[in-house]
Amino acid sequence: RKEVEQDPGPFNVPEGATVAFNCTYSNSASQSFFWYRQDCRKEPKLLMSVYSSGNEDGRFTAQLNRASQYISLLIRDSKLSDSATYLCVVNFQTGANNLFFGTGTRLTVIP
Amino acid sequence: DGGITQSPKYLFRKEGQNVTLSCEQNLNHDAMYWYRQDPGQGLRLIYYSQIVNDFQKGDIAEGYSVSREKKESFPLTVTSAQKNPTAFYLCASSRGLWTGELFFGEGSRLTVL
Repeated sequence: RKEVEQDPGPFNVPEGATVAFNCTYSNSASQSFFWYRQDCRKEPKLLMSVYSSGNEDGRFTAQLNRASQYISLLIRDSKLSDSATYLCVVNFQTGANNLFFGTGTRLTVIP
Repeated sequence: DGGITQSPKYLFRKEGQNVTLSCEQNLNHDAMYWYRQDPGQGLRLIYYSQIVNDFQKGDIAEGYSVSREKKESFPLTVTSAQKNPTAFYLCASSRGLWTGELFFGEGSRLTVL
Protein backbone atom coordinates (compact mmCIF):
# COMPACT_ATOMS: atom_id res chain seq x y z
CA ARG A 1 0.00 0.00 0.00
CA LYS A 2 1.29 3.45 -0.90
CA GLU A 3 1.82 5.88 1.94
CA VAL A 4 -0.43 8.50 0.34
CA GLU A 5 -2.99 7.65 -2.33
CA GLN A 6 -5.06 9.89 -4.52
CA ASP A 7 -7.51 9.26 -7.33
CA PRO A 8 -5.56 10.54 -10.36
CA GLY A 9 -8.70 11.63 -12.19
CA PRO A 10 -9.08 13.46 -14.42
CA PHE A 11 -12.10 15.17 -12.94
CA ASN A 12 -13.88 17.19 -15.63
CA VAL A 13 -16.51 19.48 -14.12
CA PRO A 14 -18.54 22.41 -15.47
CA GLU A 15 -17.95 25.92 -14.22
CA GLY A 16 -19.85 26.57 -11.02
CA ALA A 17 -19.90 22.94 -9.94
CA THR A 18 -18.78 21.59 -6.59
CA VAL A 19 -16.08 18.95 -6.69
CA ALA A 20 -14.36 16.92 -3.99
CA PHE A 21 -11.17 14.88 -3.96
CA ASN A 22 -10.07 12.35 -1.39
CA CYS A 23 -6.61 11.44 -0.21
CA THR A 24 -5.95 8.38 1.96
CA TYR A 25 -2.84 7.91 4.08
CA SER A 26 -1.32 4.86 5.71
CA ASN A 27 0.19 6.21 8.95
CA SER A 28 -2.37 6.75 11.68
CA ALA A 29 0.12 8.85 13.67
CA SER A 30 0.21 11.58 11.01
CA GLN A 31 -0.43 15.00 12.49
CA SER A 32 -0.31 17.50 9.66
CA PHE A 33 -1.70 17.53 6.16
CA PHE A 34 -1.39 19.81 3.19
CA TRP A 35 -2.97 20.45 -0.16
CA TYR A 36 -0.82 21.86 -2.94
CA ARG A 37 -1.88 23.09 -6.34
CA GLN A 38 0.34 22.40 -9.34
CA ASP A 39 -0.30 23.92 -12.75
CA CYS A 40 0.94 22.10 -15.83
CA ARG A 41 4.75 22.10 -16.00
CA LYS A 42 5.00 24.46 -13.01
CA GLU A 43 6.02 24.11 -9.41
CA PRO A 44 3.59 23.09 -6.63
CA LYS A 45 2.20 25.91 -4.50
CA LEU A 46 0.72 25.53 -1.05
CA LEU A 47 -3.06 25.82 -1.10
CA MET A 48 -4.02 24.84 2.42
CA SER A 49 -2.61 23.38 5.64
CA VAL A 50 -4.69 21.17 7.95
CA TYR A 51 -3.63 20.56 11.53
CA SER A 52 -6.91 19.71 13.22
CA SER A 53 -10.25 18.55 11.85
CA GLY A 54 -10.28 20.84 8.85
CA ASN A 55 -9.70 24.20 7.33
CA GLU A 56 -11.64 26.58 5.12
CA ASP A 57 -10.41 29.34 2.82
CA GLY A 58 -13.01 30.94 0.62
CA ARG A 59 -14.32 28.38 -1.84
CA PHE A 60 -11.90 25.71 -0.61
CA THR A 61 -12.55 23.42 2.34
CA ALA A 62 -10.31 20.66 3.61
CA GLN A 63 -11.67 18.06 6.00
CA LEU A 64 -9.77 15.45 7.95
CA ASN A 65 -11.21 12.09 8.96
CA ARG A 66 -8.67 10.50 11.29
CA ALA A 67 -10.74 7.38 11.94
CA SER A 68 -10.80 6.48 8.26
CA GLN A 69 -7.42 8.05 7.55
CA TYR A 70 -8.36 10.33 4.72
CA ILE A 71 -8.38 14.01 3.98
CA SER A 72 -10.65 15.63 1.45
CA LEU A 73 -10.56 18.86 -0.54
CA LEU A 74 -13.86 20.44 -1.54
CA ILE A 75 -13.99 23.18 -4.14
CA ARG A 76 -17.26 25.10 -4.43
CA ASP A 77 -18.34 27.24 -7.38
CA SER A 78 -15.51 25.98 -9.59
CA LYS A 79 -13.73 28.52 -11.78
CA LEU A 80 -11.84 27.91 -15.00
CA SER A 81 -8.72 29.03 -13.13
CA ASP A 82 -9.11 26.12 -10.70
CA SER A 83 -7.97 23.74 -13.44
CA ALA A 84 -4.77 22.18 -12.10
CA THR A 85 -3.42 19.09 -10.38
CA TYR A 86 -3.99 18.96 -6.63
CA LEU A 87 -1.35 17.23 -4.56
CA CYS A 88 -1.98 15.79 -1.13
CA VAL A 89 0.99 15.86 1.27
CA VAL A 90 1.11 14.13 4.64
CA ASN A 91 3.63 14.55 7.44
CA PHE A 92 4.21 11.09 8.85
CA GLN A 93 6.52 12.27 11.64
CA THR A 94 8.66 9.16 11.30
CA GLY A 95 12.02 10.80 11.98
CA ALA A 96 13.54 10.28 8.53
CA ASN A 97 11.79 11.50 5.41
CA ASN A 98 8.59 12.76 6.94
CA LEU A 99 6.74 14.26 4.01
CA PHE A 100 4.95 12.00 1.59
CA PHE A 101 3.38 13.26 -1.60
CA GLY A 102 0.43 11.80 -3.41
CA THR A 103 0.59 11.53 -7.19
CA GLY A 104 -2.05 14.23 -7.55
CA THR A 105 -5.61 14.57 -8.78
CA ARG A 106 -6.11 16.40 -12.04
CA LEU A 107 -9.03 18.79 -12.29
CA THR A 108 -10.32 20.41 -15.48
CA VAL A 109 -13.10 22.97 -15.19
CA ILE A 110 -15.05 23.25 -18.41
CA PRO A 111 -16.82 26.44 -19.59
CA ASP B 1 10.46 39.92 -3.11
CA GLY B 2 11.43 36.81 -1.14
CA GLY B 3 11.54 33.58 -3.01
CA ILE B 4 13.45 30.60 -4.23
CA THR B 5 15.24 30.60 -7.57
CA GLN B 6 16.31 27.64 -9.62
CA SER B 7 18.47 27.64 -12.71
CA PRO B 8 18.62 26.67 -15.42
CA LYS B 9 14.97 26.09 -16.28
CA TYR B 10 15.82 23.73 -19.11
CA LEU B 11 18.97 21.70 -19.52
CA PHE B 12 20.11 19.15 -22.03
CA ARG B 13 22.90 16.79 -21.22
CA LYS B 14 24.75 14.10 -23.03
CA GLU B 15 25.10 10.73 -21.38
CA GLY B 16 28.20 10.56 -19.21
CA GLN B 17 28.19 14.24 -18.25
CA ASN B 18 27.68 15.68 -14.81
CA VAL B 19 25.40 18.69 -14.47
CA THR B 20 24.76 21.02 -11.56
CA LEU B 21 21.40 22.61 -10.83
CA SER B 22 21.39 25.82 -8.85
CA CYS B 23 18.97 26.63 -6.02
CA GLU B 24 19.03 29.92 -4.09
CA GLN B 25 16.56 31.21 -1.52
CA ASN B 26 16.27 34.56 0.23
CA LEU B 27 13.51 33.53 2.62
CA ASN B 28 15.95 32.94 5.49
CA HIS B 29 14.74 29.34 5.69
CA ASP B 30 16.84 26.77 7.46
CA ALA B 31 15.63 23.67 5.64
CA MET B 32 16.10 22.99 1.96
CA TYR B 33 15.16 20.00 -0.17
CA TRP B 34 15.59 18.53 -3.63
CA TYR B 35 12.78 16.52 -5.18
CA ARG B 36 12.41 14.74 -8.44
CA GLN B 37 9.07 14.52 -10.25
CA ASP B 38 8.32 11.97 -12.96
CA PRO B 39 5.01 11.58 -14.82
CA GLY B 40 2.47 9.60 -12.81
CA GLN B 41 4.59 9.59 -9.66
CA GLY B 42 4.57 11.66 -6.53
CA LEU B 43 7.51 13.88 -5.70
CA ARG B 44 10.45 11.81 -4.51
CA LEU B 45 13.04 13.16 -2.11
CA ILE B 46 16.65 13.19 -3.29
CA TYR B 47 18.48 15.11 -0.55
CA TYR B 48 17.61 17.48 2.25
CA SER B 49 19.46 19.84 4.54
CA GLN B 50 18.43 21.22 7.90
CA ILE B 51 21.40 23.50 8.43
CA VAL B 52 24.53 24.81 6.77
CA ASN B 53 27.23 22.18 6.20
CA ASP B 54 24.84 19.35 6.92
CA PHE B 55 22.70 17.34 4.52
CA GLN B 56 21.10 13.93 4.45
CA LYS B 57 20.16 11.43 1.76
CA GLY B 58 16.57 11.09 0.81
CA ASP B 59 14.85 8.11 -0.76
CA ILE B 60 16.58 8.26 -4.16
CA ALA B 61 20.02 9.79 -3.51
CA GLU B 62 22.03 7.40 -5.68
CA GLY B 63 23.72 9.22 -8.55
CA TYR B 64 23.22 12.66 -6.99
CA SER B 65 25.31 14.91 -4.75
CA VAL B 66 24.68 18.19 -2.94
CA SER B 67 26.43 20.80 -0.86
CA ARG B 68 25.23 23.39 1.66
CA GLU B 69 28.05 25.84 2.16
CA LYS B 70 25.70 28.81 2.62
CA LYS B 71 22.26 29.02 4.14
CA GLU B 72 20.87 30.48 0.94
CA SER B 73 22.28 27.93 -1.50
CA PHE B 74 21.70 24.21 -2.05
CA PRO B 75 23.03 23.09 -5.46
CA LEU B 76 22.35 19.60 -6.80
CA THR B 77 24.75 17.72 -9.05
CA VAL B 78 23.34 14.99 -11.24
CA THR B 79 26.24 12.67 -11.91
CA SER B 80 26.81 10.25 -14.74
CA ALA B 81 26.06 7.47 -12.25
CA GLN B 82 22.37 8.42 -12.22
CA LYS B 83 20.83 5.85 -14.53
CA ASN B 84 17.69 7.68 -15.52
CA PRO B 85 18.27 11.40 -14.98
CA THR B 86 15.66 12.83 -17.35
CA ALA B 87 13.10 14.41 -15.01
CA PHE B 88 11.70 17.61 -13.53
CA TYR B 89 13.79 18.66 -10.54
CA LEU B 90 12.27 20.81 -7.81
CA CYS B 91 14.11 22.62 -5.04
CA ALA B 92 12.14 23.66 -1.97
CA SER B 93 12.70 25.36 1.35
CA SER B 94 10.84 25.65 4.62
CA ARG B 95 11.25 27.51 7.89
CA GLY B 96 11.88 24.30 9.81
CA LEU B 97 12.55 20.74 8.77
CA TRP B 98 9.47 18.80 7.67
CA THR B 99 7.02 21.57 8.51
CA GLY B 100 5.15 20.70 5.32
CA GLU B 101 4.73 24.30 4.27
CA LEU B 102 7.20 24.25 1.44
CA PHE B 103 8.14 26.98 -0.97
CA PHE B 104 9.22 25.58 -4.31
CA GLY B 105 11.40 26.99 -7.02
CA GLU B 106 10.11 26.98 -10.59
CA GLY B 107 11.94 23.76 -11.32
CA SER B 108 14.64 22.58 -13.69
CA ARG B 109 13.74 20.26 -16.51
CA LEU B 110 16.68 18.01 -17.39
CA THR B 111 16.77 15.97 -20.56
CA VAL B 112 19.52 13.50 -21.30
CA LEU B 113 20.16 13.04 -24.99
